[in-house]
Amino acid sequence: GDSVTQMEGPVTLSEEAFLTINCTYTATGYPSLFWYVQYPGEGLQLLLKATKADDKGSNKGFEATYRKETTSFHLEKGSVQVSDSAVYFCALSKGLDGSARQLTFGSGTQLTVLP
Amino acid sequence: DTGVSQDPRHKITKRGQNVTFRCDPISEHNRLYWYRQTLGQGPEFLTYFQNEAQLEKSRLLSDRFSAERPKGSFSTLEIQRTEQGDSAMYLCASSLASYRARGLANHEQYFGPGTRLTVT
Repeated sequence: GDSVTQMEGPVTLSEEAFLTINCTYTATGYPSLFWYVQYPGEGLQLLLKATKADDKGSNKGFEATYRKETTSFHLEKGSVQVSDSAVYFCALSKGLDGSARQLTFGSGTQLTVLP
Repeated sequence: DTGVSQDPRHKITKRGQNVTFRCDPISEHNRLYWYRQTLGQGPEFLTYFQNEAQLEKSRLLSDRFSAERPKGSFSTLEIQRTEQGDSAMYLCASSLASYRARGLANHEQYFGPGTRLTVT
């Protein structure tokens, strides 16, 4: 079945450091890929997405590129802030955007940014 | 606030009791999803509705679990004869699926804050 593997956390960085959170997936067909973020005490929020190979999703300084050849969707940010402290989830949904149904999530990566 | 809401936010129950959770999706959304999230894990899909029709159920959804969306608006998730292994965060999400020239397009899923269930 489909699956998503994320780098294990927790990750602790100093403010303004470079962030990479690795994500790889296993799926047949052409999944759409997502990064969700969960801030303390809040619900999951979509951070960015990519629906086809070589697409780059970006939002709030975060970026991720859909790499079909390596089945990866790594999350990056050039300079993290304390307010980026949260749990980050990589996810996929099967098929093209039009047939997407349930999301399959990775196990999450806790990020803590220290001032 | 017009986001997805869930009630209650926390529920503590004794093993063997029945519990029911409610989810109110974003009003114009026709798809509604239930997920379960245990500590340190990502959410796992349970079931989803398009309007009032329950279109898919995960194997995680044992026969003690039942979900309804009677009028295509709010949904309830009931767990009968709760077990300690049912302790988890139950998440609801909603989305809008609409027909475009290229076919069916399913937009972003918006999540509620979750209901945390503790079975003692």
